[in-house]
Amino acid sequence: QSALTQPASVSGSPGQSITISCTGTSSDVGGYNYVSWYQQHPGKAPKLMIYEVSNRPSGVSNRFSGSKSGNTASLTISGLQAEDEADYYCSSYTSSSTFSVFGTGTKVTVL
Amino acid sequence: EVQLVESGGGLVQPGGSLRLSCAASGFTFRNYNMNWVRQAPGKGLEWVSYISSTSSSTYYADSVKGRFTISRDNAKNSLYLQMNSLRAEDTAVYYCARDGYSGYDFGYWGQGTLVTVSS
Repeated sequence: QSALTQPASVSGSPGQSITISCTGTSSDVGGYNYVSWYQQHPGKAPKLMIYEVSNRPSGVSNRFSGSKSGNTASLTISGLQAEDEADYYCSSYTSSSTFSVFGTGTKVTVL
Repeated sequence: EVQLVESGGGLVQPGGSLRLSCAASGFTFRNYNMNWVRQAPGKGLEWVSYISSTSSSTYYADSVKGRFTISRDNAKNSLYLQMNSLRAEDTAVYYCARDGYSGYDFGYWGQGTLVTVSS
């Protein structure tokens, strides 16, 4: 099972919006609405930001939103803030012999 | 408050074994599926293994299949990962993660325990 493909880095200025893509196949991202997104600051455990493609857990800012089209899911961060600078990972259920697969990760830099 | 506390990490020689534990509190452990996720130094997240709430279903990443075994003791609110035939590439921080909202996400994470495989 190969990792889902994410851009290595994305950057933006405070207040701007950025979008991170997550590309898989019809066996994972494209076949199921079980895509989730995680934020990880250096030295910290990951934090769930989006589940089931577009749902936000309680306490997560509404500046974070998710969507999906075909085999590609996306995370959009609007009104970019300094605290959003972190690594972001997507994850999806997969119908392969395994169960779950993560993306390659994207480093978000706030300029 | 949900708490997951991993333990059992350390330095082990290639070919050796190690057993990780994850102590859960703050929720009804027997009702939730659990996972192990690892992160090699400076690298991305890698899902390792899943176990259903009743232990009826388990899954493994291809990279650990046949070498690692996930288990749980609902009476002790504990999750385990038995790791055998360890390789240098198994060096990573190992996180236990609880099923969150959909059954296919990782809603809560522990702080992780470092496993180093080296001679």
